[in-house]
Amino acid sequence: DAMVIQNPRYQVTQFGKPVTLSCSQTLNHNVMYWYQQKSSQAPKLLFHYYDKDFNNEADTPDNFQSRRPNTSFCFLDIRSPGLGDAAMYLCATSSITGYTEAFFGQGTRLTVV
Amino acid sequence: KQEVTQIPAALSVPEGENLVLNCSFTDSAIYNLQWFRQDPGKGLTSLLLIQSSQREQTSGRLNASLDKSSGRSTLYIAASQPGDSATYLCAVPLSPGFQKLVFGTGTRLLVSP
Repeated sequence: DAMVIQNPRYQVTQFGKPVTLSCSQTLNHNVMYWYQQKSSQAPKLLFHYYDKDFNNEADTPDNFQSRRPNTSFCFLDIRSPGLGDAAMYLCATSSITGYTEAFFGQGTRLTVV
Repeated sequence: KQEVTQIPAALSVPEGENLVLNCSFTDSAIYNLQWFRQDPGKGLTSLLLIQSSQREQTSGRLNASLDKSSGRSTLYIAASQPGDSATYLCAVPLSPGFQKLVFGTGTRLLVSP
């Protein structure tokens, strides 16, 4: 049973057209993360939510925003996608207490045309 | 700044071989280390998490060891199978409690029948 679900699996967007990627979880974890993985590169952390507390990484471009309306859902908004934003976007969750293993979704492959 | 390196970048073995994947990190003050598997175009599947107080963890044919003092972890795969073909990534968190992970660039494994 999928525990971290990302939709859609594949997203094609036009240059400059806002796009939203979705992540949901059934683990009831209080922390959710968004990572960006470009081709043949390691995943790179963009930001994370601890409950409703948003934490941006210092080098994450302003073009990337996130929303977490409740414990189960988290969204990644790219306000004006550029060609360089084409990547796999990975959502992950973990619990702040006890066992802190990270669980990832299947990813959303974003293509910018 | 924590840096994670994985050697080799690629590995090709015949089915049935036992193999070792290596992961090195520059800052030995880690909280845990997590090994992942990534199939082409897919998300990350967690394989093993080793807490900083542990020396090794086992799951089926997989055994991961951790030597904090030397900044190294190894993933041992016994009796490799074609289905083990994937990219294997190791990662360490930047801070306690959160899995804000710094990843290695991975080892691409191909197991031939």
